[in-house]
Amino acid sequence: AQKITQTQPGMFVQEKEAVTLDCTYDTSDQSYGLFWYKQPSSGEMIFLIYQGSYDEQNATEGRYSLNFQKARKSANLVISASQLGDSAMYFCAMREVNTGNQFYFGTGTSLTVIP
Amino acid sequence: KAGVTQTPRYLIKTRGQQVTLSCSPISGHRSVSWYQQTPGQGLQFLFEYFSETQRNKGNFPGRFSGRQFSNSRSEMNVSTLELGDSALYLCASRRTGGSYEQYFGPGTRLTVT
Repeated sequence: AQKITQTQPGMFVQEKEAVTLDCTYDTSDQSYGLFWYKQPSSGEMIFLIYQGSYDEQNATEGRYSLNFQKARKSANLVISASQLGDSAMYFCAMREVNTGNQFYFGTGTSLTVIP
Repeated sequence: KAGVTQTPRYLIKTRGQQVTLSCSPISGHRSVSWYQQTPGQGLQFLFEYFSETQRNKGNFPGRFSGRQFSNSRSEMNVSTLELGDSALYLCASRRTGGSYEQYFGPGTRLTVT
């Protein structure tokens, strides 16, 4: 079974609008971390935001927020006020403690911001 | 603080050859992980090193190997290259406490002809 599932291969959003990128995860571990990374066309993976499994509040970092619904095992990324520079691939990832903190990545969502 | 650096950035090799890629982590980061990224398979975990010891290993053949030095720098080696090894190889480092977020280098793009 896939540890991380991203069901949106591609998304489009109008500049200045908000967009939600979906991510669901599968784990039986009680202690885990959820991450979102951005990969522009240059190839470098850029860390965006982190949510711990015991964190009760949703994580926020500037225009990025993580909508964490533990019971549904979802960790959606919300980007507010989209900018042209947000066009990139976005990867959801999970770190499980019981596998030695190994990271698992989803297949990514390609986001295109339209002017 | 300097980021993760990887050398070389681009590499072209011939089938059957071997290649060594290098990664220097962020200062103070003792864990280094390697990933292979291809359009078809996505981002796949190769292995992780911590304090010169391999901590985790992904599902790759023995042609893929790595090591870590006492200064936390890491190298990855691929022997007997195959066309399917063409990929972007990403290195990531992290602290070993706290939120465990990984910071990635720019990658080495390997092309096997």
